[in-house]
Amino acid sequence: DTGVSQDPRHKITKRGQNVTFRCDPISEHNRLYWYRQTLGQGPEFLTYFQNEAQLEKSRLLSDRFSAERPKGSFSTLEIQRTEQGDSAMYLCASSLEGGGYTFGSGTRLTVV
Amino acid sequence: AQSVSQHNHHVILSEAASLELGCNYSYGGTVNLFWYVQYPGQHLQLLLKYFSGDPLVKGIKGFEAEFIKSKFSFNLRKPSVQWSDTAEYFCAVTSRGKSNYQLIWGAGTKLIIKP
Repeated sequence: DTGVSQDPRHKITKRGQNVTFRCDPISEHNRLYWYRQTLGQGPEFLTYFQNEAQLEKSRLLSDRFSAERPKGSFSTLEIQRTEQGDSAMYLCASSLEGGGYTFGSGTRLTVV
Repeated sequence: AQSVSQHNHHVILSEAASLELGCNYSYGGTVNLFWYVQYPGQHLQLLLKYFSGDPLVKGIKGFEAEFIKSKFSFNLRKPSVQWSDTAEYFCAVTSRGKSNYQLIWGAGTKLIIKP
């Protein structure tokens, strides 16, 4: 499969725990994005990378959220001290600059 | 600030009916426009996109959209829908300027096709 891969597909965690999600983009794509989607809403932009540089992170929802893309390939999104309001689908996408996005299947997070 | 408005949150049609889903955006500059579809239990997929040129854009699965700059609109159409078109449809916009990394999304339209 040469699309965008996200792991895990589902994550259930207890409130207060830390979680980390991984995204493997399409290898030729230099841009990688993280979005969050809740029921009945369109995706909400969180952050993006161009190669290994995180060029926009002001939309991360709080300082509990952080993302990395250390070698310009895969990326991780970490949420520390999870809260019930963090329950959502976390989407990763990649693109070439100016191109249309290709989305992964998402990681559904449930905080109990 | 940019925003995208999709007029209908839910649309129910019978098979073979014609479809038009509205999308309006607010942004004063030049934009790229997209329609994405999300089938039940699946991830977002690109249906079609407009960057420049012919304002009537054809996408996959018989969908098309028309960019009308004067109306800030990018409505999605399909002449004859099928049961398999049941899905949620999202319109999205990005500017061509410095912030062209960020897609601004509409809230989505849930389309249900009755067999």
